[in-house]
Amino acid sequence: SAVISQKPSRDICQRGTSLTIQCQVDSQVTMMFWYRQQPGQSLTLIATANQGSEATYESGFVIDKFPISRPNLTFSTLTVSNMSPEDSSIYLCSVVIAGVYEQYFGPGTRLTVT
Amino acid sequence: AQSVTQLDSHVSVSEGTPVLLRCNYSSSYSPSLFWYVQHPNKGLQLLLKYTSAATLVKGINGFEAEFKKSETSFHLTKPSAHMSDAAEYFCVVSRMDSSYKLIFGSGTRLLVRP
Repeated sequence: SAVISQKPSRDICQRGTSLTIQCQVDSQVTMMFWYRQQPGQSLTLIATANQGSEATYESGFVIDKFPISRPNLTFSTLTVSNMSPEDSSIYLCSVVIAGVYEQYFGPGTRLTVT
Repeated sequence: AQSVTQLDSHVSVSEGTPVLLRCNYSSSYSPSLFWYVQHPNKGLQLLLKYTSAATLVKGINGFEAEFKKSETSFHLTKPSAHMSDAAEYFCVVSRMDSSYKLIFGSGTRLLVRP
């Protein structure tokens, strides 16, 4: 398995500002993903964080709004830019370990935009 | 198009009685299927997975699920519910374009009555 930490665990932000969420894994992983869970809803994939290159975004998500970095095999950041109340959600990172067909999720970052 | 449908948004059982959480999927190929559990204010935990091996899959905490291709179902069961099983459960299917990308069902909230 993998131990995944996210920072911050929660935050309250004002509209129009940006927040960067960090995801750290205790071992090298092959793939990293970012998901959003809106209040009372299921999880939706935002993007795949690619090491050393631009992230691959899902339909409905764009780089200007959700820039993602992945400088190495164990770390990634997601920025929520120019926030509005509709961005209030839990943001989770997930990882896949080489040779293990299982996806592990971080504890999530609970974001509230006022 | 691929999709996953959880037939019940809420399921309530008495402690010690069986649990049945229903899930149907739609896919033009043979997907991988998963069940995840999310306890309040906790991250997602993988309960079990089906990856084209045995159709009856045993997971953690006494849960199991049976893959029925003819019925396109992957229902989650447990013989005897425990109070600690109260949580949100997600049925998940892998995507055709990338088996590591996941599509989440809408979730089933399990309530366990003492």
